[in-house]
Amino acid sequence: GAVVSQHPSWVICKSGTSVKIECRSLDFQATTMFWYRQFPKQSLMLMATSNEGSKATYEQGVEKDKFLINHASLTLSTLTVTSAHPEDSSFYICSATKGQPDQPQHFGDGTRLSIL
Amino acid sequence: GNSVTQMEGPVTLSEEAFLTINCTYTATGYPSLFWYVQYPGEGLQLLLKATKADDKGSNKGFEATYRKETTSFHLEKGSVQVSDSAVYFCALLISGGYNKLIFGAGTRLAVHP
Repeated sequence: GAVVSQHPSWVICKSGTSVKIECRSLDFQATTMFWYRQFPKQSLMLMATSNEGSKATYEQGVEKDKFLINHASLTLSTLTVTSAHPEDSSFYICSATKGQPDQPQHFGDGTRLSIL
Repeated sequence: GNSVTQMEGPVTLSEEAFLTINCTYTATGYPSLFWYVQYPGEGLQLLLKATKADDKGSNKGFEATYRKETTSFHLEKGSVQVSDSAVYFCALLISGGYNKLIFGAGTRLAVHP
């Protein structure tokens, strides 16, 4: 149990376009979802925390208008990279938790975004 | 503040060797501690966890003991396999709030036949 599906797994697009990444909890209700960014050979950097039905909480230094997060249901959160540029190329990973204290986060397989 | 420090990699071992990956933490309060594993091109998988002092987490031959006195959570395995090659992340979770995980930098393990 506790499967998180992320889609797409790999996307290549032109500079200036917007890209949407989906994160779904397949067999549980995810009260809270997290979005991370990972640069090559580095650790995960938390970008934002999203709770179902409310606005996402962004970490310091993350542009809200650049990285739009929507958590419209208990099983789906989306990250939209708006007007993407080559420097936005990265590995994006989502995770989901049931929300109770000390519940583990369950991670998706990540999305590799390449902006040309 | 809260932080996690892991030994730098890469760690290169021969198959069946003993593995230790060091992890120490700094935290306010009483965190839960985790080890996650990331295989190439994939997301993270929870390997093991411990929620209080002296707890031992174990899974797939890996073990780690929550040592409050040394603020450590070192990962060990008695005999590694080639399939264990991956990046290992130590993380802590602060109770309360939104279950935010704080990750170490990750340690890459390469096991050769």
